[in-house]
Amino acid sequence: ETGVTQSPTHLIKTRGQQVTLRCSSQSGHNTVSWYQQALGQGPQFIFQYYREEENGRGNFPPRFSGLQFPNYSSELNVNALELDDSALYLCASSVRLAGGHNEQFFGPGTRLTVL
Amino acid sequence: EDQVTQSPEALRLQEGESSSLNCSYTVSGLRGLFWYRQDPGKGPEFLFTLYSAGEEKEKERLKATLTKKESFLHITAPKPEDSATYLCAVQAASGGSYIPTFGRGTSLIVHP
Repeated sequence: ETGVTQSPTHLIKTRGQQVTLRCSSQSGHNTVSWYQQALGQGPQFIFQYYREEENGRGNFPPRFSGLQFPNYSSELNVNALELDDSALYLCASSVRLAGGHNEQFFGPGTRLTVL
Repeated sequence: EDQVTQSPEALRLQEGESSSLNCSYTVSGLRGLFWYRQDPGKGPEFLFTLYSAGEEKEKERLKATLTKKESFLHITAPKPEDSATYLCAVQAASGGSYIPTFGRGTSLIVHP
């Protein structure tokens, strides 16, 4: 069974640039969630995708956008990068059930640094 | 608004010194409470899911319990390799979505 993978591992960008982060879900999982984790904080929910549609969104501006593909892989796009966007970006996959979701399995994360 | 508060923020133990981590939550319609372990610079690793008050789960030196207001992660005779940040998350139904809310975590250091 292949776990959740993310690319790239590390990324350095400058303020104002755009970035795309990628995630491959664990086999058999149909839902992908993205989180931003600042140093010393818990993961903050950005958004969730189920069947290629956004299925919930946290308190993040529209310059954070995403996609889910038919094979359940996903992208997170961030436009007009700001210094505060520097963080560990986590992707998590899960299976959506009738009564909710089972546990989420996280990838190793992408460390984004904005200079 | 769903809230999750973890305490203490940091905990230092000697090897073999048992202790408990706390996760207090306020949520409308709990659909699950999750515990994760996170090593520095890595993604969280799933440990347990608890669904209803009174439920308990165990894995090696860890035991998670759940009440209607809080969950405890008990660590029995910890070893240095148990050093990590332990995250708690609650999942509630919100407009048809099931979005976990995470706490800030408890940083555990176990000294040999």
